[in-house]
Amino acid sequence: DAGVTQSPTHLIKTRGQQVTLRCSPKSGHDTVSWYQQALGQGPQFIFQYYEEEERQRGNFPDRFSGHQFPNYSSELNVNALLLGDSALYLCASSPSGSSPEAFFGQGTRLTVV
Amino acid sequence: RKEVEQDPGPFNVPEGATVAFNCTYSNSASQSFFWYRQDCRKEPKLLMSVYSSGNEDGRFTAQLNRASQYISLLIRDSKLSDSATYLCVVNPRGFKTIFGAGTRLFVKA
Repeated sequence: DAGVTQSPTHLIKTRGQQVTLRCSPKSGHDTVSWYQQALGQGPQFIFQYYEEEERQRGNFPDRFSGHQFPNYSSELNVNALLLGDSALYLCASSPSGSSPEAFFGQGTRLTVV
Repeated sequence: RKEVEQDPGPFNVPEGATVAFNCTYSNSASQSFFWYRQDCRKEPKLLMSVYSSGNEDGRFTAQLNRASQYISLLIRDSKLSDSATYLCVVNPRGFKTIFGAGTRLFVKA
């Protein structure tokens, strides 16, 4: 049983560019959450998707947007990249209607130069 | 005040020691509580849920104090492999999950 998979694992972008990160949830999970983790910090909630809609959002600007597809996979898009967007981006999936325990992917390490 | 606060440590303990971490949360309506473990440059992994009555999983014991709004994690008989960052996680009503910044633990031989 494949767990949560994310791609790419590493990425280097230039300031002002746009990036798309991808996530496939664990089998049987239909809810996907995205987190940003800066070095030495805990993960910060960006948003959660369920039934192809954004269900809740953390304190992130509109430059951060997402999408969920009918097969429950998800994308995180970040526009107009800033140096401060450099971080580990984690995707977590969970089954709906049950305890919100989440299973994380290995993350995408984004470096903005 | 941060929504979830943890002592960042690091905690440096010898093998076999008992170590305890505390975590406080600000939203009294919070419903679900967890401890996650994160190894260096890896993703967080669920260690254990925290139940109101307290719960134990082998060498790990988690406690919840709703009146004082804190949760704790006790690790007995520490192993070298317990070295990691321990993240306190709170899920208030709704869908947003809040992570603490983590407590670093180093277990030395």
